[in-house]
Amino acid sequence: KAGVTQTPRYLIKTRGQQVTLSCSPISGHRSVSWYQQTPGQGLQFLFEYFSETQRNKGNFPGRFSGRQFSNSRSEMNVSTLELGDSALYLCASSLAADPPNTEAFFGQGTRLTVV
Amino acid sequence: KQEVTQIPAALSVPEGENLVLNCSFTDSAIYNLQWFRQDPGKGLTSLLLIQSSQREQTSGRLNASLDKSSGRSTLYIAASQPGDSATYLCAVRGDDKIIFGKGTRLHILP
Repeated sequence: KAGVTQTPRYLIKTRGQQVTLSCSPISGHRSVSWYQQTPGQGLQFLFEYFSETQRNKGNFPGRFSGRQFSNSRSEMNVSTLELGDSALYLCASSLAADPPNTEAFFGQGTRLTVV
Repeated sequence: KQEVTQIPAALSVPEGENLVLNCSFTDSAIYNLQWFRQDPGKGLTSLLLIQSSQREQTSGRLNASLDKSSGRSTLYIAASQPGDSATYLCAVRGDDKIIFGKGTRLHILP
């Protein structure tokens, strides 16, 4: 069965622009979460969605937002890009979020470079 | 606040050796612990998932243990191979999110 698909794989944007990243979870999975990975901070949680509702949010500024559609696909948006937003953005899908004890599967990530 | 620590940060061992990677966490109120592998520039590959009620899980040459009361997990890799070279990440699932350690960069010397 198909894994978690993230598009695009690579992206170069200019400071001040906005960007939208997409994640298609494994078929049947209803929970999608997003993470930012940088060399200095490691993997940091952005937000989690379950059945189109944001369930949890990490400590990121309001420039970072997301949503989930009825087919469980998710998008995250970053507005007014800063150089520090350059990172690998990873999406994970899991079967359920309540209780949140199911295995998480990750996509290949979107490498965002802000210049 | 949950914190996950992985020691060592980097490890080089000759091919064929057995090795142990360590993970510790500060809050024992977890649903599960998951070990991942990450190759440079790639996403995370799930290796093993241990539920909070379990003590260990095995998959091929990999064995992971969980001692929730002491806040520790180990990943044992038997008969290491050059293809095992990667960063290994430990992650614990709490009520609101998954918290990751910084990982152990493993290099298997041919």
